[in-house]
Amino acid sequence: RKEVEQDPGPFNVPEGATVAFNCTYSNSASQSFFWYRQDCRKEPKLLMSVYSSGNEDGRFTAQLNRASQYISLLIRDSKLSDSATYLCVVNSGGSYIPTFGRGTSLIVHP
Amino acid sequence: SQTIHQWPATLVQPVGSPLSLECTVEGTSNPNLYWYRQAAGRGLQLLFYSVGIGQISSEVPQNLSASRPQDRQFILSSKKLLLSDSGFYLCAWIPRLVYGYTFGSGTRLTVV
Repeated sequence: RKEVEQDPGPFNVPEGATVAFNCTYSNSASQSFFWYRQDCRKEPKLLMSVYSSGNEDGRFTAQLNRASQYISLLIRDSKLSDSATYLCVVNSGGSYIPTFGRGTSLIVHP
Repeated sequence: SQTIHQWPATLVQPVGSPLSLECTVEGTSNPNLYWYRQAAGRGLQLLFYSVGIGQISSEVPQNLSASRPQDRQFILSSKKLLLSDSGFYLCAWIPRLVYGYTFGSGTRLTVV
């Protein structure tokens, strides 16, 4: 089993739709969780950290489910500009090597 | 403010030629530094990481090497490039406490 798994997609949704991605991780000792966004031919950029209690930033909501070992990203009211690849990152406590998922591709169409 | 610089942005090199990519960080000290490679349509592959000057850990054995001659400088090198070395090379850093990575803008290398 891979350490961090994501559905590669693509998720093809219309503008205004709500879309959710999950990311599962295998190491139960994982302590830090992040979502990154990567546009085509660009570097990944931090979208948001994922806190145990869940957190929201505008149209984006991130949640952590430790029991089932997954994190999720919910995007409400999708915009064309949300089209990108979304990477989840998981880090175990004390490790300086976070583990990246392969990413989920999102395409928002008019 | 903390920034990361990476250059060049694009590079086309012939097979067998040497390589040197440089990454520098500003506004921080003693960062953890990383080199990643992303092949077309693929995920990020960790190549090297460094937790201090002169300290390099290699994740993938290959014809690449890394050096950290100064606290905020990380260099990726090769003596002889292979076609398979083509890809998008990204430098990244995180502070001592584990936060999310910040990536440089990347170098797109094409070996011909």
